[in-house]
Amino acid sequence: KQEVTQIPAALSVPEGENLVLNCSFTDSAIYNLQWFRQDPGKGLTSLLLIQSSQREQTSGRLNASLDKSSGRSTLYIAASQPGDSATYLCATQEGDSGGGADGLTFGKGTHLIIQP
Amino acid sequence: EPEVTQTPSHQVTQMGQEVILRCVPISNHLYFYWYRQILGQKVEFLVSFYNNEISEKSEIFDDQFSVERPDGSNFTLKIRSTKLEDSAMYFCASTPGQGGKNEQFFGPGTRLTVL
Repeated sequence: KQEVTQIPAALSVPEGENLVLNCSFTDSAIYNLQWFRQDPGKGLTSLLLIQSSQREQTSGRLNASLDKSSGRSTLYIAASQPGDSATYLCATQEGDSGGGADGLTFGKGTHLIIQP
Repeated sequence: EPEVTQTPSHQVTQMGQEVILRCVPISNHLYFYWYRQILGQKVEFLVSFYNNEISEKSEIFDDQFSVERPDGSNFTLKIRSTKLEDSAMYFCASTPGQGGKNEQFFGPGTRLTVL
């Protein structure tokens, strides 16, 4: 059974710093990996999706990498801003049924605070 | 930009009552999902739905749960006899399911409180 772990559980940094959030997973036979942002009491906003054949994806100040063989992904946030404060979730999708039908397995998230 | 919508945003019910949570997935998406998040815990997969039938379900999705697509737009989750431990945030999600990308888009959630 897939287990997804995110480190650190919480992180507080001054505005402007670059930072890295880590995600590890136990079963490398994934179809894709998706990073989300969750604001308190709100839904999940998709940030980036990396397919199993890809090594990284970029969107604006965000860059996500994937090392399937070692079961790791990182989310790099450049030039952090107070508006980046949220919980960041990593989730994998298994490929048993070609990806579409499989649910996501989530980590517990990293609670990020960017100090103004 | 198209988005997944869910109603109600908050539902309070008495233990043993039936509840129906509603979702409108993004138009032209083919796969639909329900997840739940108990306060302070991980988001957990419940069920996926494709072509008008359940594709996958987790061990959480027992006989008390059912899903339905009653028309061309709505996707519902029914809990037959709610328990205190069903109190959670329930999220609906959808994905195009074509082209291999399978990015899942989530709705804002329904907070279910069972008293």
